[in-house]
Amino acid sequence: GQNIDQPTEMTATEGAIVQINCTYQTSGFNGLFWYQQHAGEAPTFLSYNVLDGLEEKGRFSSFLSRSKGYSYLLLKELQMKDSASYLCAVRDGDYKLSFGAGTTVTVRA
Amino acid sequence: ETGVTQTPRHLVMGMTNKKSLKCEQHLGHNAMYWYKQSAKKPLELMFVYSLEERVENNSVPSRFSPECPNSSHLFLPLHPLQPEDSALYLCASSQDPASGANVLTFGAGSRLTVL
Repeated sequence: GQNIDQPTEMTATEGAIVQINCTYQTSGFNGLFWYQQHAGEAPTFLSYNVLDGLEEKGRFSSFLSRSKGYSYLLLKELQMKDSASYLCAVRDGDYKLSFGAGTTVTVRA
Repeated sequence: ETGVTQTPRHLVMGMTNKKSLKCEQHLGHNAMYWYKQSAKKPLELMFVYSLEERVENNSVPSRFSPECPNSSHLFLPLHPLQPEDSALYLCASSQDPASGANVLTFGAGSRLTVL
């Protein structure tokens, strides 16, 4: 079966940096995704990694190590609007995207 | 309308009622998905349709049987229901599941409460 683990909750201060870790054990691997989901809203795409290394997109960066089955999402210069759930997902086939349970990030003033 | 639209947004039903969840995508995508999101649990993939053909059907109770009349519309009839079916049902679409990053665009979801 698929196993994708990420912390349940994290809290950080406005302007700070937070790193959300994700470890996975899946039957196949065709890429790793991060999505952001605000309460009551649709998940929205943040980043995609298929090769090892760091992908940077503005205040958000995502890292992948395939050999370790590990990824992290780095959120810099935190803003109040970054309070949301962050979902790690692994594509292990053409159609299948398996998700972790999500990490709820709370940003405090 | 843009993106992926789901209706209704909220639904309260008895176990013997009959309703359908509707999903419409305005992105010209070829694939559509139903996911179930329960509290504190990972999103569970239920069904995948590519060009109106069902290509994946996870371990979902047989009482769920979607309808996909064309590549822009996907329905999930709800009957009969069990209390454990209470959840947020998310529809998504993607351009081409077999190529590239295959980014999913999600709708805002339909929250179902089964009495």
